[in-house]
Amino acid sequence: DTAVSQTPKYLVTQMGNDKSIKCEQNLGHDTMYWYKQDSKKFLKIMFSYNNKELIINETVPNRFSPKSPDKAHLNLHINSLELGDSAVYFCASSQGRGRSHEQYFGPGTRLTVT
Amino acid sequence: AQTVTQSQPEMSVQEAETVTLSCTYDTSESNYYLFWYKQPPSRQMILVIRQEAYKQQNATENRFSVNFQKAAKSFSLKISDSQLGDTAMYFCAFMKLMGGSEKLVFGKGTKLTVNP
Repeated sequence: DTAVSQTPKYLVTQMGNDKSIKCEQNLGHDTMYWYKQDSKKFLKIMFSYNNKELIINETVPNRFSPKSPDKAHLNLHINSLELGDSAVYFCASSQGRGRSHEQYFGPGTRLTVT
Repeated sequence: AQTVTQSQPEMSVQEAETVTLSCTYDTSESNYYLFWYKQPPSRQMILVIRQEAYKQQNATENRFSVNFQKAAKSFSLKISDSQLGDTAMYFCAFMKLMGGSEKLVFGKGTKLTVNP
């Protein structure tokens, strides 16, 4: 039973293309996140949503647009892909609002832009 | 802004021995959580241990324990009886409690290799 799932796990595309990464959680959590892990393994928050509402937007280029159709899904759409967007993107979820604060991570999507 | 520093980019330990990974953080907050996450070669992020700042007692989870020194802003991870499966990147992370969605601020990680 997968708690947080992402599709696809690997994505190879060319510069200038538009791509999406999908995330779903079946934990009943209220809050979902996107993190980016760069080539040096550094992890940084990009966005968070609480009950479909954008809460955190960490100075991410506006080519990145998250969309949350419902509280179980948080998708990431990237326009006009650049070489520097190559990274592993992790989706995560948490109960939020005063519970355990533990964030559960998906398996990651390795994006390679050529 | 909060920062997390892991001063050991790489460490190695012999199987069955004990190793300690260092982490320091900088914050003016009084209410926060600290975490250690493990990332094996499979790249899955796995929570190892969690510490609430208001708790003086150090957290333990089986072979994993922390030394939390709030005044010194230090949060080290001790792995006892190291196993080959402990080989992974280990990330220390800080979470400020914001009453809603809270973000994790990660250190740069320590690559731990357990040798047979």
